[in-house]
Amino acid sequence: EPEVTQTPSHQVTQMGQEVILRCVPISNHLYFYWYRQILGQKVEFLVSFYNNEISEKSEIFDDQFSVERPDGSNFTLKIRSTKLEDSAMYFCASIAPGQLYGYTFGSGTRLTVV
Amino acid sequence: DQQVKQNSPSLSVQEGRISILNCDYTNSMFDYFLWYKKYPAEGPTFLISISSIKDKNEDGRFTVFLNKSAKHLSLHIVPSQPGDSAVYFCAASSISNFGNEKLTFGTGTRLTIIP
Repeated sequence: EPEVTQTPSHQVTQMGQEVILRCVPISNHLYFYWYRQILGQKVEFLVSFYNNEISEKSEIFDDQFSVERPDGSNFTLKIRSTKLEDSAMYFCASIAPGQLYGYTFGSGTRLTVV
Repeated sequence: DQQVKQNSPSLSVQEGRISILNCDYTNSMFDYFLWYKKYPAEGPTFLISISSIKDKNEDGRFTVFLNKSAKHLSLHIVPSQPGDSAVYFCAASSISNFGNEKLTFGTGTRLTIIP
């Protein structure tokens, strides 16, 4: 079964450093998303991406965040200057055209900011 | 602002019995509802969904019921199996012209099936 692949599975970074979280969505999917889950809390929407541009973003997704699909297969989330409160599980998801709901999520990257 | 609420953080059910997980929502614009299952160290896995034009959707052991007037949905698992032990998230969305809207998740219910 096709999978959404995320790397790394765990990243530890110092506060103020830049991090890039990587995702390889399923190949025929066209809609891409980042969600995050702070420990013990709900899964929260960050951003959706379609046709090489952001479709929608949440309040969480401020100027410190950016997304990119640099080469037609990878989908990255960059946090420019990490804060302690960015520590969370970050999930990438994708969905195929015509498949309105039921995204496929990756297994996540646990980001720890120290 | 918790637009999707799962008021039971945990639930334990005997193997073979019915598990009922509940979810309430406040946003009247939501018209599509989903349940996701999540194991530790894995991403959420889509389980079953229901459109607001229906009040029930069934898929094998899983049935989702929607009560629009009460803004309430529930997931029934019968019979419950040990492999069903996981965290279950309720999620909601509103259909737009774009077609692939963001999901708003509840906080999850940890289901434990007791052998």
